[in-house]
Amino acid sequence: GENVEQHPSTLSVQEGDSAVIKCTYSDSASNYFPWYKQELGKRPQLIIDIRSNVGEKKDQRIAVTLNKTAKHFSLHITETQPEDSAVYFCAASRRGATNKLIFGTGTLLAVQP
Amino acid sequence: GAVVSQHPSRVICKSGTSVKIECRSLDFQATTMFWYRQFPKQSLMLMATSNEGSKATYEQGVEKDKFLINHASLTLSTLTVTSAHPEDSSFYICSASPQGVNNSPLHFGNGTRLTVT
Repeated sequence: GENVEQHPSTLSVQEGDSAVIKCTYSDSASNYFPWYKQELGKRPQLIIDIRSNVGEKKDQRIAVTLNKTAKHFSLHITETQPEDSAVYFCAASRRGATNKLIFGTGTLLAVQP
Repeated sequence: GAVVSQHPSRVICKSGTSVKIECRSLDFQATTMFWYRQFPKQSLMLMATSNEGSKATYEQGVEKDKFLINHASLTLSTLTVTSAHPEDSSFYICSASPQGVNNSPLHFGNGTRLTVT
């Protein structure tokens, strides 16, 4: 089955700096890669996703890149703000097949004011 | 749109008792729903795939007789934790996406915090 690894487990940045979180996946048939933000005790919130037919997607301060050959994808947050502090999870799935979403191990992002 | 409602949000039960958690898609139909478990400071681990009108598909290592899943309609899936033990204390969360809607993301319920004493 799919296995998703995520690094780093914790990340501390100064407000205004950029943050990068990286994930690798094992199943070459995975074709959908969302990123979720989870605040303590709450449900994960989708912040951006990318499908295997594109290499990059951007939404304001957030961008995701995908390298299908290497089977890794990354989340980039620019101009970080204290409210960006949360746990971020990457995930992978085969949309149109099992649709199971397998999550990475999570990254605790702390943005220092 | 695409709201998933989960109930209860918190439950405390005694060891040996059973607890039922409901997951409802409020404004869409879902033939498939997914149940996750999250221990403190850990990731969301997929427990099982709930299939409307048929048996659930359990992930490796998840006891199907302990975690009973029923998906009797296109808008409701239930997870029953049977003979609960303190080690079952966790955050249980369901998710679903609209049936027949291409490229729709998964939507999560608010989760259920289970504490077994």
